[in-house]
Amino acid sequence: DTGVSQDPRHKITKRGQNVTFRCDPISEHNRLYWYRQTLGQGPEFLTYFQNEAQLEKSRLLSDRFSAERPKGSFSTLEIQRTEQGDSAMYLCASSLGGVAGGFNEQFFGPGTRLTVL
Amino acid sequence: DAKTTQPTSMDCAEGRAANLPCNHSTISGNEYVYWYRQIHSQGPQYIIHGLKNNETNEMASLIITEDRKSSTLILPHATLRDTAVYYCIVRVSHGGSQGNLIFGKGTKLSVKP
Repeated sequence: DTGVSQDPRHKITKRGQNVTFRCDPISEHNRLYWYRQTLGQGPEFLTYFQNEAQLEKSRLLSDRFSAERPKGSFSTLEIQRTEQGDSAMYLCASSLGGVAGGFNEQFFGPGTRLTVL
Repeated sequence: DAKTTQPTSMDCAEGRAANLPCNHSTISGNEYVYWYRQIHSQGPQYIIHGLKNNETNEMASLIITEDRKSSTLILPHATLRDTAVYYCIVRVSHGGSQGNLIFGKGTKLSVKP
């Protein structure tokens, strides 16, 4: 399968614990995005990387959240001191950006569903 | 980016055309209309996009009004597998921009046998 993959698919944790999610984008894609989706809502943008550089962060990304893409390939999203309000689906997407006049369709992974007890 | 308004839900009979409307009355001249859909328990999937002209691909057709203040996504022969939430998104540009998508709540389309 050459699509976007995310691991784990489900995570249950207790309040106050740290969790880390991984996203493997489509191999030739230089752009990687993280979104969060709560029940009944559309996905909300969290942050975006072009290669290894984190170029934009949403105000939703509090200081308990950190994302990395160290080698410009896979990315990790860490949430420290989880709160019940962090329970959501965390989606990763990748695209091939920087093509002048070209459409950079975003391909989404299946998501990681986080439940904070 | 301009905001969009979509009906909360719609039903469609299997085999019939599904017409999903979207209002984007504040759209700017350089903003594109994108449609994504999200089948239950999956990530969103790109369907189609357009600027001014009507567009068609293997999945759907996109009809944009002349004033560009609204559009309609058409699934010509809906199947049960088309049951999903459909998102209409208006965005400034593509290609060179960072391109993060701003999703609303979308329209939940239920295709019934």
